[in-house]
Amino acid sequence: AQKITQTQPGMFVQEKEAVTLDCTYDTSDPSYGLFWYKQPSSGEMIFLIYQGSYDQQNATEGRYSLNFQKARKSANLVISASQLGDSAMYFCAITPDYKLSFGAGTTVTVRA
Amino acid sequence: GAGVSQSPSNKVTEKGKDVELRCDPISGHTALYWYRQSLGQGLEFLIYFQGNSAPDKSGLPSDRFSAERTGGSVSTLTIQRTQQEDSAVYLCASSFSLPLFGPTDTQYFGPGTRLTVL
Repeated sequence: AQKITQTQPGMFVQEKEAVTLDCTYDTSDPSYGLFWYKQPSSGEMIFLIYQGSYDQQNATEGRYSLNFQKARKSANLVISASQLGDSAMYFCAITPDYKLSFGAGTTVTVRA
Repeated sequence: GAGVSQSPSNKVTEKGKDVELRCDPISGHTALYWYRQSLGQGLEFLIYFQGNSAPDKSGLPSDRFSAERTGGSVSTLTIQRTQQEDSAVYLCASSFSLPLFGPTDTQYFGPGTRLTVL
């Protein structure tokens, strides 16, 4: 079984600043994928970024980057240059195959 | 191209009634998933389809829940004799292929159906 822990229920960030969202996980599978999704108030889950457990480099997608520390079982999301539209709930998820296990999420509020 | 669509977006029903929730995946995606999001339980996996087959139904909470997929495309999640604890947002996702995982196997979600059982 997989478990995801997101310890920050809510965060505030100033527009144009960077924010780091914490995610730690527990799995016995040697091979797995880590995902981050954004869920704005509209409810849709929007895929942001993916990291494979065997990937040597940290994943990046535009303003999103993943700080992957495999030995510490940590996959923190960094959002650079925050925008007002980044205000949303962010979920970390893990899967060894297809069944995503999600964390409880972190609410990010970007202030102007 | 078009994303995953779900209908209805909102459904209010009375306890004991049956409901059907529909999901239309991204064209060409062979794998389809249903998840449930509720305040108490967070996001939970319900079932996945590969083509029209459902190899994993392990997340369905009771035998009141069933799902089918036809033509390798549209899927319907049916809840019979709804209970108040069924109230949640039901999310559908699709991905290009299965079981290999990787960037091509990212699950893309629809907007969800908010179900309220009175």
